[in-house]
Amino acid sequence: RKEVEQDPGPFNVPEGATVAFNCTYSNSASQSFFWYRQDCRKEPKLLMSVYSSGNEDGRFTAQLNRASQYISLLIRDSKLSDSATYLCAFSGGYQKVTFGTGTKLQVIP
Amino acid sequence: DAGVTQSPTHLIKTRGQHVTLRCSPISGHKSVSWYQQVLGQGPQFIFQYYEKEERGRGNFPDRFSARQFPNYSSELNVNALLLGDSALYLCASSLDGGLGEKLFFGSGTQLSVL
Repeated sequence: RKEVEQDPGPFNVPEGATVAFNCTYSNSASQSFFWYRQDCRKEPKLLMSVYSSGNEDGRFTAQLNRASQYISLLIRDSKLSDSATYLCAFSGGYQKVTFGTGTKLQVIP
Repeated sequence: DAGVTQSPTHLIKTRGQHVTLRCSPISGHKSVSWYQQVLGQGPQFIFQYYEKEERGRGNFPDRFSARQFPNYSSELNVNALLLGDSALYLCASSLDGGLGEKLFFGSGTQLSVL
C-alpha cells in the first residue's frame, strides 16, 4: 500500500460549487497533517494544518479521521482563483513530511 | 522579510556532471529540508538539517549529499547526474524542525539533465 494516496483528478467544477478531496495514509504513527496548495510551476504553500477536531478557515474545512486513516478538504463556494493542485501531507516525526501526488482542481466560469 | 531563497532558478546539465543548489532560509529559521518534485508527483523528501546536523534522510542514493552552514543556509549536491534527476528541487525552512511545524518553501530550482 502506498504511504499516501490521492485522486489526481482533475476535478472540474463550476464557480460556486462545493468540492471535496480525500487523502488516505498508511502510517498509523502519523501525527501531523496538512493541506498545501501548489499553483502551476510554483512552490507548495501551506493552506492549513488538519486537527483531530476538524478546523475551518473561511471557505475551507479540513477533517481528520484517524480510525479510517484519511484526511479531507472541503472547499465551499469555489472561486476561479481556487484552481490549483492540492497536496495532502503528513509527518510522523521531525520533518520528514510525506506528500501525496496532489489533486488538480479546475474551477470553471 | 525575505522568504526562502534558492539559486539558481533554472539549470541545465548533462549526464555525469555534478550540480550544487543553494538555499537561504527565512531569517530566524534554523531547519532546512530538501525535496525533489518530479512532474506530476508530490515533493519527495531528500534531507533535513538542523543546526548543521543531518536530522533525516530520504530514500535517495549516495550521489545526493547536503550540508548546512553556520548561518543556516544550505547546499544540496548531486553527483553523476542521471536523466531521472531532472526535477524541481525545493528547499523548505522552519523554525526548528519540530513536529507539526509549518514548512515554508522556496520557489525551487528547476534542474534539467540532458
